[in-house]
Amino acid sequence: SQTIHQWPATLVQPVGSPLSLECTVEGTSNPNLYWYRQAAGRGLQLLFYSVGIGQISSEVPQNLSASRPQDRQFILSSKKLLLSDSGFYLCAWRVAGGPGTQYFGPGTRLTVL
Amino acid sequence: GESVGLHLPTLSVQEGDNSIINCAYSNSASDYFIWYKQESGKGPQFIIDIRSNMDKRQGQRVTVLLNKTVKHLSLQIAATQPGDSAVYFCAENPYGSGNTGKLIFGQGTTLQVKP
Repeated sequence: SQTIHQWPATLVQPVGSPLSLECTVEGTSNPNLYWYRQAAGRGLQLLFYSVGIGQISSEVPQNLSASRPQDRQFILSSKKLLLSDSGFYLCAWRVAGGPGTQYFGPGTRLTVL
Repeated sequence: GESVGLHLPTLSVQEGDNSIINCAYSNSASDYFIWYKQESGKGPQFIIDIRSNMDKRQGQRVTVLLNKTVKHLSLQIAATQPGDSAVYFCAENPYGSGNTGKLIFGQGTTLQVKP
């Protein structure tokens, strides 16, 4: 069966520090991958998605970037964090091609101080 | 439509009662719909899905109804239990989204179950 992992689970970082969040998927090949951010009490905002290795599409201009160095690995990064980057970051995957469900990871709670 | 920036509405029900959570979707050409449950501090979990060629689909204690005429989706939970307390999101897959698989999420509804 397929599983999705995210780490770290929680992170507290000072303003201006770098960021690296990692997401990995097991049990499937060539998945579509997604990064979302969720502010407290809010809905889901799609940040990036990827349909293949090295292929990244950005949904909103921001202080973040994403990379997909391996088929089942998706990384969210920042060179200098802002206070507004605080939130709950979720990674999701789905089987490529056609309509289909996205399956979410457990999330990373990021607090920027 | 997009859920960013909107406070979540709340539905409060008594334990044992049936719950109905509603969602208005945005794209008349959407061909696939999903309901997710998100508990506090966790990622959203898949509950049930339905394709646009269906009006109703049932799962264990849950039923999804699709009314394409008015672009409305509902999730019915039978005999609501305390463990059902969570935020519920609907999502639609716009037809023609191709290989991206992007979903449009609803604003979410908080379900509170009173003992």
